[in-house]
Amino acid sequence: DGGITQSPKYLFRKEGQNVTLSCEQNLNHDAMYWYRQDPGQGLRLIYYSQIVNDFQKGDIAEGYSVSREKKESFPLTVTSAQKNPTAFYLCASRVQEANEKLFFGSGTQLSVL
Amino acid sequence: AQSVTQPDIHITVSEGASLELRCNYSYGATPYLFWYVQSPGQGLQLLLKYFSGDTLVQGIKGFEAEFKRSQSSFNLRKPSVHWSDAAEYFCAVGAPEYGNKLVFGAGTILRVKS
Repeated sequence: DGGITQSPKYLFRKEGQNVTLSCEQNLNHDAMYWYRQDPGQGLRLIYYSQIVNDFQKGDIAEGYSVSREKKESFPLTVTSAQKNPTAFYLCASRVQEANEKLFFGSGTQLSVL
Repeated sequence: AQSVTQPDIHITVSEGASLELRCNYSYGATPYLFWYVQSPGQGLQLLLKYFSGDTLVQGIKGFEAEFKRSQSSFNLRKPSVHWSDAAEYFCAVGAPEYGNKLVFGAGTILRVKS
């Protein structure tokens, strides 16, 4: 089945630790996105990538990093510089055209120990 | 930059009653407009989208939305709500000149009472 796979479903971070959230898609989509969801704030864009080996900052990129070495994969690292990392993280992808829909993964809930 | 406002954080309707969820956007031209629903255990799903043509758009699950340029609005409607419609609904805006960025509203949580 084609789709987007996020792992793990739940993740715990210790103080000062970097953690990486995985996102893999087999939809042959060029564009991939990371959103953060907090109650009452909707989905806020962290980073996005329109092509392999290229990515852009979204609205809340501070404390996060990404890579796009393969078309299928767009991992997100939550660094120790992100002081409030507890949130639900959603990965999405779509074809390039801006009027096409996003396909979402099932999300990762990150909590701080 | 484009922005999206969903003024209602929570809405409660009775089963069988009609529903309207409000969405206003800020953008100079006609943007691409989307409504997504997030249900427990089902992730985020596209309900409908508008990018040109007929301003009344039909979506899945009996939903529709109307684009009103004069009001910069894209309100979501359903004539008769079912208990299974209880979920969180997000309006989103995109535009060609902003590349592939899609901006989401804060969401509206719909509760359905029997």
